[in-house]
Amino acid sequence: QQQVKQSPQSLIVQKGGISIINCAYENTAFDYFPWYQQFPGKGPALLIAIRPDVSEKKEGRFTISFNKSAKQFSLHIMDSQPGDSATYFCAASDSGGYQKVTFGTGTKLQVIP
Amino acid sequence: EPEVTQTPSHQVTQMGQEVILRCVPISNHLYFYWYRQILGQKVEFLVSFYNNEISEKSEIFDDQFSVERPDGSNFTLKIRSTKLEDSAMYFCASSEAGGPGLNEQFFGPGTRLTVL
Repeated sequence: QQQVKQSPQSLIVQKGGISIINCAYENTAFDYFPWYQQFPGKGPALLIAIRPDVSEKKEGRFTISFNKSAKQFSLHIMDSQPGDSATYFCAASDSGGYQKVTFGTGTKLQVIP
Repeated sequence: EPEVTQTPSHQVTQMGQEVILRCVPISNHLYFYWYRQILGQKVEFLVSFYNNEISEKSEIFDDQFSVERPDGSNFTLKIRSTKLEDSAMYFCASSEAGGPGLNEQFFGPGTRLTVL
């Protein structure tokens, strides 16, 4: 019940295209859903996050779509660029606890010119 | 911009030896965490620490592991007797508070632990 399922495992997108990564969760106590971007040899860095009281959040080229009833959320990267090539992790946490973050399995994104 | 720092960046040790991984969280943060990432796998929660005590730990965090905040700035993870399967990247993280809107966790660059 604590798992966050993420797909696809890897993704290749042409420059300028849209990258879409999907996640699903089971634990209804989760109320904070961050996405992390990780470059090789670096720690995860917060990219964008959403709470379940909104269905969409946009920051620049990055958009989270959230479907509370389906317990699913997704990351859309518009106009994908080679610099976006990284591993993306969806995650979830329960703010009623101590903010243990449960990570998805990761998606390795490669944006090709 | 304040950041979480970790030392060393790479630690090589022999199986059975003790290792201490060090972290300096962001100065005004109150919650501290350790995560690990085995090569090619997802990031896994190990432990959270608040007010000088463990607030939550995972099943991975067994008796071989301990955490400590020995002074006002450092946060350490000790592995008492390392095993081959402890080889991983260990990330320290910190957050300002535990409540909604303040619980963004900032991750350090990690320490790569290699157990031979």
